[in-house]
This record gives sequence, structure tokens and C-alpha cells, in this order.
Amino acid sequence: EDQVTQSPEALRLQEGESSSLNCSYTVSGLRGLFWYRQDPGKGPEFLFTLYSAGEEKEKERLKATLTKKESFLHITAPKPEDSATYLCAVQAISNDYKLSFGAGTTVTVRA
Amino acid sequence: GAVVSQHPSWVICKSGTSVKIECRSLDFQATTMFWYRQFPKQSLMLMATSNEGSKATYEQGVEKDKFLINHASLTLSTLTVTSAHPEDSSFYICSAFEGGIQETQYFGPGTRLLVL
Repeated sequence: EDQVTQSPEALRLQEGESSSLNCSYTVSGLRGLFWYRQDPGKGPEFLFTLYSAGEEKEKERLKATLTKKESFLHITAPKPEDSATYLCAVQAISNDYKLSFGAGTTVTVRA
Repeated sequence: GAVVSQHPSWVICKSGTSVKIECRSLDFQATTMFWYRQFPKQSLMLMATSNEGSKATYEQGVEKDKFLINHASLTLSTLTVTSAHPEDSSFYICSAFEGGIQETQYFGPGTRLLVL
């Protein structure tokens, strides 16, 4: 069974204080690893897909990296508007495009 | 691009009534859509996979007679919660699978259901 574990559960940052979120996974054949952002009371917003170890993707202050066992989401010089829950999900090759989600990391950025 | 809408965004109903939630992909066609539910401070739990023109596939533990799914076109899937009870109160979120280069699920804004 695919498993996704995210840490920490919650992260409080001062504006401008860079940090990283971790997503550890076990999956029987990775098709892709996905990062989403979810604001309270809203649906998840797509951020990145990573397909193979060593791959990196960037979007504004966010950078996602992937190894064979985990992915990191780096937030550089965060702003209050980066406050959200960040969800990691894996898609197995054998799984008809289903996603298995982690519990998420809730990031709060204080001005 | 890749916009998914849901309607309604909020619904309050009496116990025993049925509620229909619509999920639409607005700018792409989706042969596959997914339905999730999310409890407070928890992650998304997949309920079922909806395929255009065929029967939905339900995850273990999800009652198919309780949660009726219809995927009548390439841009619309509906979830009907039949004979709703207070324990069905939750946040229901759909996603549409964009099967092009991205092969990504794009999510709707969610529907908050409260059963009294």
C-alpha cells in the first residue's frame, strides 16, 4: 500500500525566514509526486509534479525536489500570503491515476 | 487554464433528503474525475473514481448506494448523497484528471455539506 508521511505537521515562520517541508513516501512504482497548496475552506491548488529522482521545479518562492524516498518543498523568504496547508501526494504506475495524500503541513507566516 | 468548478459551494439539508453536487471541468475535457471527502484538519480521502460513460469505481468502505456518481459527459460528474444523515456532513471535493502532458488532477473549490 502506498504511504505518504509529511513533516512537520505545522510550521510557524517569520516573514523572510526560509524553511523546508518534508514528504517521505513508499510506493510500488512512482508515476509522479505532486505538491498542492490548500487554503482553509478551499480545494487544493496544483503546484508541482515531479517524476524522477533529482528533478527540481520552482515557482516564485517555492522549490520542490525529489529523491527516491522523499521530496522537499523549500519556501524561500516566505510572505504571509504563503500561509496555507501544503499537501504532498503520490501516484503509482499501477493505480489508474489515483493520488494518495499525506496529512499535510500547515504553514503560518507572520509579518 | 485547468479550471474546475463545483456547485453548490454550501448546502444545508434535513436528515433523510438527497443532495446533488456537480463538478465541471471548464476548459478541458476529463474522461476521469475523482470524488474526495475531507474532515476537519484531515487530509483528502478518495471516495470514488468516476469515468465518463461507465460505472464509478468506489474505494473500500464507501457505500455505492449511498453516494451515487454519474459522469454523463466529458465535462460533468455529479455526486448524489442519498438519504443524507448528520454523519454525512463533510467537505466534498472533486477533481478532474487532465490527461495531456501534465497528467494532473485539478481540484474544484469544494462543497460544504451540513445535514441537520
